[in-house]
Amino acid sequence: QQQVKQSPQSLIVQKGGISIINCAYENTAFDYFPWYQQFPGKGPALLIAIRPDVSEKKEGRFTISFNKSAKQFSLHIMDSQPGDSATYFCAAALTGGGADGLTFGKGTHLIIQP
Amino acid sequence: NAGVMQNPRHLVRRRGQEARLRCSPMKGHSHVYWYRQLPEEGLKFMVYLQKENIIDESGMPKERFSAEFPKEGPSILRIQQVVRGDSAAYFCASSPLAGQATGELFFGEGSRLTVL
Repeated sequence: QQQVKQSPQSLIVQKGGISIINCAYENTAFDYFPWYQQFPGKGPALLIAIRPDVSEKKEGRFTISFNKSAKQFSLHIMDSQPGDSATYFCAAALTGGGADGLTFGKGTHLIIQP
Repeated sequence: NAGVMQNPRHLVRRRGQEARLRCSPMKGHSHVYWYRQLPEEGLKFMVYLQKENIIDESGMPKERFSAEFPKEGPSILRIQQVVRGDSAAYFCASSPLAGQATGELFFGEGSRLTVL
């Protein structure tokens, strides 16, 4: 049972464009939604995260939009750069009591063309 | 300030051999998680440990896999009698508090196991 569904599987964006990756979750008890960035041969690194008490969080060129009623959240990368080319994973967690860590989506391979 | 350290980075084993993967959490972190990543897949939770305790092993295969986090030394993920399907990248993550309290995990660079 996949609890976090991520799309698209791969994405090609021109330099300077907006990259958008979407995720949907099933468990309404989830209360922490991070995005991780992974470069080839490296471990995932936390990029940005949001909790369901806000609908949007922005850090530099990266923005998370969160829709609690639809159980969806998305990552927007503004002014996408070739250095943003990586695999992006959304995740969800039940904090404050659960013990099964983060549940990850399957990832999106993002390529920014110069 | 060293991050999460995993070794070996690459490991090749023949079917039936044992694989041992080690993880030293970030300084000050006492909570360790192991994840497995298959090609074109996300990261699958395997086990969550604190010092000398397994907290949640619901993602761990029932046979051949075991994990420990002793009072001294690194956490170890052990795979006995490896099969080709065990070939994957194994990532360790650590957290200063119970990961479930904050959700934030810090990942190592992974150990890539290849079973011939």
